Amino acid sequence: RKEVEQDPGPFNVPEGATVAFNCTYSNSASQSFFWYRQDCRKEPKLLMSVYSSGNEDGRFTAQLNRASQYISLLIRDSKLSDSATYLCVVKRSGGSYIPTFGRGTSLIVHP
Amino acid sequence: DGGITQSPKYLFRKEGQNVTLSCEQNLNHDAMYWYRQDPGQGLRLIYYSQIVNDFQKGDIAEGYSVSREKKESFPLTVTSAQKNPTAFYLCASRSDREGVMNSGANVLTFGAGSRLTVL
Repeated sequence: RKEVEQDPGPFNVPEGATVAFNCTYSNSASQSFFWYRQDCRKEPKLLMSVYSSGNEDGRFTAQLNRASQYISLLIRDSKLSDSATYLCVVKRSGGSYIPTFGRGTSLIVHP
Repeated sequence: DGGITQSPKYLFRKEGQNVTLSCEQNLNHDAMYWYRQDPGQGLRLIYYSQIVNDFQKGDIAEGYSVSREKKESFPLTVTSAQKNPTAFYLCASRSDREGVMNSGANVLTFGAGSRLTVL
């Protein structure tokens, strides 16, 4: 089982739709969880950190479920500009800080 | 402006040649990382460095080498021993401290990447 798994999609949704992605991680001792956004042929950029109590940033909501070992990202009122690949990132447990990436979930928002 | 600069942006290499990708940061970050990304794939860790003069192998270090002689610089050499080097290479750095823009500790900042093609 991979350390971090995501459904690659693509998720194809109309503008204004609500869409949710999940990401599962294999190591129950994992710490620090993030969602990054990557546009085509560009570098990843931080979208939001994921906190234990869940957190919201505008139209984006992130949740962490430690019992089931997954994190989720909810996007409300999708915009055309939300089209991108969303990467789930989990810090491996242990002394060294090693961020491990999922393969990403592709989102296409159409008019 | 603070950031990470990778060069070159595009690089073509003949089989059997070594190439070095540059990564320079002026963010005063201690930790730096090199990742490789193949089409439709996630990022895979090649090497990382937590502090100057120290670096560790990641998951796919074979055929690569690095150095960390200065805090600002973490160059990656792709050697001829790397069997399938064509890929998008991403350098990142990380701070242990909260950023000025409240980006949070332990957030990775990436360079724009170097796209290597072996002819």
